Amino acid sequence: QQKVQQSPESLIVPEGGMASLNCTSSDRNVDYFWWYRQHSGKSPKMLMSIFSNGEKEEGRFTVHLNKASLHTSLHIRDSQPSDSALYLCAASRNTGNYKYVFGAGTRLKVIA
Amino acid sequence: EAAVTQSPRNKVTVTGGNVTLSCRQTNSHNYMYWYRQDTGHGLRLIHYSYGAGNLQIGDVPDGYKATRTTQEDFFLLLELASPSQTSLYFCASRDNTGQLYFGEGSKLTVL
Repeated sequence: QQKVQQSPESLIVPEGGMASLNCTSSDRNVDYFWWYRQHSGKSPKMLMSIFSNGEKEEGRFTVHLNKASLHTSLHIRDSQPSDSALYLCAASRNTGNYKYVFGAGTRLKVIA
Repeated sequence: EAAVTQSPRNKVTVTGGNVTLSCRQTNSHNYMYWYRQDTGHGLRLIHYSYGAGNLQIGDVPDGYKATRTTQEDFFLLLELASPSQTSLYFCASRDNTGQLYFGEGSKLTVL
């Protein structure tokens, strides 16, 4: 069964600091990786996606992907208390069966 | 933004009870999904569908049935609810870019 592993399980960073989250898929057929953010009591909302090797930046958020190792990472610079949330990584295939498998998540807490 | 509406938002039933969770999306998305969320497990896929009448089996399907009656409506059925099915259930739909849009969740408690 396809698995998505995320690390660390939880992370505490000071306000203004850098948070780094990791995600690896065990399915060599996946093509796309997604990062979702879920604030407490809310539903997950897509944060960023990445399909190609390399890096993608959107504001304070940067995502890296290494397709050979099926590893993606999310980096949040200048972390804010409002970034405190559960971060979920998902992997999916590009064609045919659009099945999304999620990891267990990383719970980030940003302390002022 | 795509709208996905779930009902009921909260449900309490007893062991052996019959529960139907409803999901409606109004953006004509083809794919719809049912996930359950439990602490330590993230989101686990129960069933999904790519159109009316279609059903695909997810990763944790045991004890669940699902039916996609129209493009808009996707139902999750628990015919003999058990305490292990106490969970937070999310429905989602997928747009053409691959982004998932989640409903607000349905909290189910099985006593």
